[in-house]
Amino acid sequence: ILNVEQSPQSLHVQEGDSTNFTCSFPSSNFYALHWYRWETAKSPEALFVMTLNGDEKKKGRISATLNTKEGYSYLYIKGSQPEDSATYLCAYSGGSNYKLTFGKGTLLTVNP
Amino acid sequence: SAVISQKPSRDICQRGTSLTIQCQVDSQVTMMFWYRQQPGQSLTLIATANQGSEATYESGFVIDKFPISRPNLTFSTLTVSNMSPEDSSIYLCSVGAGNYGYTFGSGTRLTVV
Repeated sequence: ILNVEQSPQSLHVQEGDSTNFTCSFPSSNFYALHWYRWETAKSPEALFVMTLNGDEKKKGRISATLNTKEGYSYLYIKGSQPEDSATYLCAYSGGSNYKLTFGKGTLLTVNP
Repeated sequence: SAVISQKPSRDICQRGTSLTIQCQVDSQVTMMFWYRQQPGQSLTLIATANQGSEATYESGFVIDKFPISRPNLTFSTLTVSNMSPEDSSIYLCSVGAGNYGYTFGSGTRLTVV
């Protein structure tokens, strides 16, 4: 059974704050780590797909890092805005398998 | 990336009935995936649907409960059969892979009463 854990479960921040969340996953047989943003009543949106240990990716104010040896990834949001309010999901795929195992997500609420 | 139209967006159904969810993709894709998210739980893969062959179901999911059709490379349906309140979930279809991540439909929010 693969375990993908995300913390915290939920987070409330003020507009302008920077924040980060954690995703931990099995370090063996690693293939890729995905991050998605899922706003209420919308489709999950792919943010990053990371494959290499030490990878760092950035998209606007959002960035992510990857440590495959110890099995964790961080997602950072700089200067949070109310439109960043969403559930952030990470998902792990092992070997060459296309199947994703998701964490339960971190629900971010940014207060104006 | 592909665009997926998923219907219905939500439904409230009586226990014992069935609901069919449809996903239409704007391009041809080999594999389509069906997920479920029960309240408070992770998004969980139900099955993988390939055109021209039977769907491959994950542990804990069976064809009699979740029959899937994949008549062509742009369309798939998932039926939730003989529903009970435990089937109340968000159901999502998905396509794509590789370095760009997966594209998801907008989801079907199902409540079984």
